[in-house]
Amino acid sequence: AQSVTQLGSHVSVSEGALVLLRCNYSSSVPPYLFWYVQYPNQGLQLLLKYTTGATLVKGINGFEAEFKKSETSFHLTKPSAHMSDAAEYFCAVANAGNNRKLIWGLGTSLAVNP
Amino acid sequence: NAGVTQTPKFQVLKTGQSMTLQCAQDMNHEYMSWYRQDPGMGLRLIHYSVGAGITDQGEVPNGYNVSRSTTEDFPLRLLSAAPSQTSVYFCASSYSGEQYFGPGTRLTVT
Repeated sequence: AQSVTQLGSHVSVSEGALVLLRCNYSSSVPPYLFWYVQYPNQGLQLLLKYTTGATLVKGINGFEAEFKKSETSFHLTKPSAHMSDAAEYFCAVANAGNNRKLIWGLGTSLAVNP
Repeated sequence: NAGVTQTPKFQVLKTGQSMTLQCAQDMNHEYMSWYRQDPGMGLRLIHYSVGAGITDQGEVPNGYNVSRSTTEDFPLRLLSAAPSQTSVYFCASSYSGEQYFGPGTRLTVT
């Protein structure tokens, strides 16, 4: 069965530092890949997604992620963290054949220190 | 275009009570789903629907029922509430993999 692993349930960075949130998946075929963000007391919203084509995907709020098939990874990065980036981040995977049913990682809580 | 709406936002129930969490979407999405979110456990799928009249179980369906009589609405029923059902519940609708979430219902069962 497919699974998604997010390394580090809590990540803390300083304002202005690089953000790197890790996501690895298990899949025998190239999947669809997603990053979602959840701000406190809100629902989840899509940051970015990879379906086909260019492996470097740009999302909202300056985030981007790169699909690396050989490493089965889809890590999320942002060059310079803002205080407003403090949130919970979820990685999710779907099979291309059933792209509506997502398999979710457990989430990474990002803290941004002044 | 309201997206996905959920009511109520907060609810407190006593053990054994029943209730229905409402979910509606105005995007004409065929796929809808219910999740519960608990600390350290991420999102767990309760039930989902691929279209009106079609529902199926997710990974944690026990204690919950759903129905889908229209494309727009996907209510979640708690048959006999238990403290283990204290959680935050999210409804989502989907088009081509991208899921749109409602704001959630925070449920406490005492």
